[in-house]
Amino acid sequence: GIQVEQSPPDLILQEGANSTLRCNFSDSVNNLQWFHQNPWGQLINLFYIPSGTKQNGRLSATTVATERYSLLYISSSQTTDSGVYFCAVYVSGTYKYIFGTGTRLKVLA
Amino acid sequence: GAVVSQHPSWVICKSGTSVKIECRSLDFQATTMFWYRQFPKQSLMLMATSNEGSKATYEQGVEKDKFLINHASLTLSTLTVTSAHPEDSSFYICSADIPGDRGFNQPQHFGDGTRLSIL
Repeated sequence: GIQVEQSPPDLILQEGANSTLRCNFSDSVNNLQWFHQNPWGQLINLFYIPSGTKQNGRLSATTVATERYSLLYISSSQTTDSGVYFCAVYVSGTYKYIFGTGTRLKVLA
Repeated sequence: GAVVSQHPSWVICKSGTSVKIECRSLDFQATTMFWYRQFPKQSLMLMATSNEGSKATYEQGVEKDKFLINHASLTLSTLTVTSAHPEDSSFYICSADIPGDRGFNQPQHFGDGTRLSIL
């Protein structure tokens, strides 16, 4: 089956720093989403981005489907950005929606 | 926007009890819903795909007799953990998308999850 790997697995930043999170997938996908999981387990949808680039405030994302990766950029990080970030993909030709391995981010004040 | 409601939010029960979790699409009809399980500090693992009016499709390693899925209507799917044991304690979450062609227009909408603790 498809492999969805995220890097880095863990990341510690000082407040105000920028970061790039990566999502690599091993097979063709129909769409891709980025989520932030809060401490209560809720998945907050950040981007629905099957291809191209989108921006929302301090966050932006780029998906290059032909090269099978997506990037999430966080600029001027804040302590409230701490948590776990997941990418998830809809696998082409299947009815499966698969999550990546996750990146655990901690932003220090 | 599309809303998925999941109940209960948390449940604590004794070993051997069966527990039912509901997943509802509130403002759209969902022919397909997904069920996931998440253990502490791990990713979300797809358990099964729930299809309205037909049997669920389970992922490899998921016991279909243990985790009963029913998708009787276009707005409701249920997951029943039968004869639950402490190792079934986990965070369970469902999702659904708005039907359409299976192209680039299917963002998933998630419930808030159910935290299950078996004593």
